[in-house]
Amino acid sequence: EAGVVQSPRYKIIEKKQPVAFWCNPISGHNTLYWYLQNLGQGPELLIRYENEEAVDDSQLPKDRFSAERLKGVDSTLKIQPAELGDSAVYLCASSLEGQGADTQYFGPGTRLTVL
Amino acid sequence: KQEVTQIPAALSVPEGENLVLNCSFTDSAIYNLQWFRQDPGKGLTSLLLIQSSQREQTSGRLNASLDKSSGRSTLYIAASQPGDSATYLCAVQGANDYKLSFGAGTTVTVRA
Repeated sequence: EAGVVQSPRYKIIEKKQPVAFWCNPISGHNTLYWYLQNLGQGPELLIRYENEEAVDDSQLPKDRFSAERLKGVDSTLKIQPAELGDSAVYLCASSLEGQGADTQYFGPGTRLTVL
Repeated sequence: KQEVTQIPAALSVPEGENLVLNCSFTDSAIYNLQWFRQDPGKGLTSLLLIQSSQREQTSGRLNASLDKSSGRSTLYIAASQPGDSATYLCAVQGANDYKLSFGAGTTVTVRA
């Protein structure tokens, strides 16, 4: 069974440019998460989807970040415009359901470098 | 807000030695606690999940304990191997919002 797929794996952009990350969760998983992981830190939740509904986006900086999960399957996270401080690893995870003792399965992440 | 702390931040041991990784959290209202492994440039792999009602979980050479009242968990890795070299992250899932709060991790190096 394929795991969580993310692309691209690496991205280098100039500041003020837009960037987008894509995630395809494990088949059948209703819940999808985007996390931000700074160097030497643990992941922090940006947004959680249950099917196509964003049920927790309280940590998403909405002035420059946006996300969508059309059709409740794959998802895109966008930053526009990117800032130097956005350099980090962006992780996508999925789980069967959003609540309960569901293990979250993580993708390999997209490492973003903003110059 | 849940705060998760992991000590030490880094650990280097010779092959064969047992590893002890510590995790503490500030809010005892948790649903479960998980230990993850992260290899360089890779995502997170779940190692063990302990429900809030449980005291420990075991998988092969790994054993994790949970003391919810004191806000502590310990991950033991027996007879360490070079392949155990990685960063180990502790995460607690809140009982009210089910949100995962992560520690910063312990980076382990096992010397051959």
